[in-house]
Amino acid sequence: QVQLVQSGAEVRKPGASVKVSCTSSGFTFTGHYIHWIRQAPGQGLEWMGWINPKSGVTNYAQKFQDRVTLTRDTSISTGYMELSRLRSDDTAVYFCARGIRVPAAGWAYYFDSWGQGTLVTVSS
Amino acid sequence: QSVLTQPPSVSGAPGQRVTISCTGSSSNIGAGYDVHWYQQLPGTAPKLLIYANSNRPSGVPDRFSGSKSGTSASLAITGLQAEDEADYYCQSYGPSLTVFGTGTKVTVL
Repeated sequence: QVQLVQSGAEVRKPGASVKVSCTSSGFTFTGHYIHWIRQAPGQGLEWMGWINPKSGVTNYAQKFQDRVTLTRDTSISTGYMELSRLRSDDTAVYFCARGIRVPAAGWAYYFDSWGQGTLVTVSS
Repeated sequence: QSVLTQPPSVSGAPGQRVTISCTGSSSNIGAGYDVHWYQQLPGTAPKLLIYANSNRPSGVPDRFSGSKSGTSASLAITGLQAEDEADYYCQSYGPSLTVFGTGTKVTVL
């Protein structure tokens, strides 16, 4: 079955970076875009960007454009999200999700499978 | 940052019907982009509930249904059950990014 398994919780100080992994199984890793979405404590969902695992092409939400980097290693079916220059308001659970493209709708996707989430805590 | 507006909470007794609205604009839902819905139980990842406005993935009970009209969409839960107590989010697209709703907490009385 389709599965996305993320790395464990992380604690960082303000100004540091964090890198979260997302390992897929049960489907062809290069056949689906991987998206990253975060959720601050008690808050809603916020889309951060996607990576095309086949080509490595990425697309980021403008808010994160200068701080987030999505990469992948196709040999181990794993995607990575690195967020730099962390601030306290980056404290959140970070999810990876498999994107299903909506036909004839450009870059519109929905998410049919999610990782379990990784809590990133930014605190001095 | 959410550009899709949902009511913060809705409630109903077991067996009742509740609806959750998702209001967007001419830049997203009104531009013709589909709406998708997710259920998030406490401490877990969201789960796809409805895709492309009104389609249920395999395994989702037919108590859940979705619709879209103009710049808004709705999720209906009929025959409300205790296990439906969760947060629900709508999701769409535009302009140039994926957008989520503000989220609605459903409480079963």
